[in-house]
Amino acid sequence: QKEVEQNSGPLSVPEGAIASLNCTYSDRGSQSFFWYRQYSGKSPELIMFIYSNGDKEDGRFTAQLNKASQYVSLLIRDSQPSDSATYLCAVTGSTLTFGKGTMLLVSP
Amino acid sequence: EAGVAQSPRYKIIEKRQSVAFWCNPISGHATLYWYQQILGQGPKLLIQFQNNGVVDDSQLPKDRFSAERLKGVDSTLKIQPAKLEDSAVYLCASSAPLTGTDYEQYFGPGTRLTVT
Repeated sequence: QKEVEQNSGPLSVPEGAIASLNCTYSDRGSQSFFWYRQYSGKSPELIMFIYSNGDKEDGRFTAQLNKASQYVSLLIRDSQPSDSATYLCAVTGSTLTFGKGTMLLVSP
Repeated sequence: EAGVAQSPRYKIIEKRQSVAFWCNPISGHATLYWYQQILGQGPKLLIQFQNNGVVDDSQLPKDRFSAERLKGVDSTLKIQPAKLEDSAVYLCASSAPLTGTDYEQYFGPGTRLTVT
């Protein structure tokens, strides 16, 4: 059974701080890694994907992947109240497996 | 570019009744997915179609759930009969695989099902 683990949170950070969201996965054959943002009552929205070890930056978001440690993270710089949402980590082998998500709360 | 369309947005039924959900993917996306998301959980894949063929339905409760994707475009998901534990949001997603294994999925607004 492929598993994707995330701390459910909530993770609380003040506006302007860096939010760090973490995810571990069990399937060493996993090839692609995604971060989705889900606002309350809304559907998931893709914000980042990463395929290779290392860092990938897109605006205020940085995804980090370490396949040896089976670990993927998402950093959000200069956090804004509008970033408050649940962040879902998803991992592919043959299909996409989601974690339960981490709730992020950014206070003004 | 139009997104993934789903209907209805909300549905309330009694247990043992049947219900059907409809999904129209992004134009040109060959792969379509149905997910079940229970409150506080991540989405769980129910079934994946590639064009009109089933790629994965290992987590679909086949005694009560069925899905089809005729003509490789839109899809319907049916529950018959419904149980209380089927209360969830049913999400449809689509993707256009860049390679054989890499894909980015785009989700529709979902259908919130309440079974009483």
